[in-house]
Amino acid sequence: KNQVEQSPQSLIILEGKNCTLQCNYTVSPFSNLRWYKQDTGRGPVSLTIMTFSENTKSNGRYTATLDADTKQSSLHITASQLSDSASYICVVSFPVFSGGYNKLIFGAGTRLAVHP
Amino acid sequence: ETGVTQTPRHLVMGMTNKKSLKCEQHLGHNAMYWYKQSAKKPLELMFVYSLEERVENNSVPSRFSPECPNSSHLFLHLHTLQPEDSALYLCASSQDPGTDPSYEQYFGPGTRLTVT
Repeated sequence: KNQVEQSPQSLIILEGKNCTLQCNYTVSPFSNLRWYKQDTGRGPVSLTIMTFSENTKSNGRYTATLDADTKQSSLHITASQLSDSASYICVVSFPVFSGGYNKLIFGAGTRLAVHP
Repeated sequence: ETGVTQTPRHLVMGMTNKKSLKCEQHLGHNAMYWYKQSAKKPLELMFVYSLEERVENNSVPSRFSPECPNSSHLFLHLHTLQPEDSALYLCASSQDPGTDPSYEQYFGPGTRLTVT
């Protein structure tokens, strides 16, 4: 069964600290992996997208890593800011051959709170 | 703003009411989606429209009825809902429905629905 599991479920850190969020997936075959940020009361916004051949991708203070062999990804946030408080969602895309398109499987997200 | 708007932002309805959610995208995209997001659960894909034609219906109860009159507008008609239908309903759009694996979905802010 295609699944995306994220940990931890929630996390509290102090402003300025770093943190790492984890994502494990069982999706196969695999097209790409994305990380989204969802602020409270907003829709998700894409942070990074990686294919199986990419090991790391950065977007400012956000760095995503991917190990396609172990089917694990992480999102590292450096020098956290209060505005980083949000849910971070891991999303894996896989091809649906009968439909000729790619489908997204969403994780439940990690809720991050950055405190002053 | 992502270019995808949703109205209303909040909706409270009784189980016997009929209401509609509206989504509009200003991005010139050809595909539109409805998702349901319940607390602490992954986003659930409900419907996919490509060029105004429904291409996916994920076993959604008939009390949810989508309508896509053109590529810029998407509606979700609601009737005789249950309290467990209370959730955040997100609309998204993309250039195509996923034939390109790297396709990006742009989400609206969502409608927070409460069924009493």
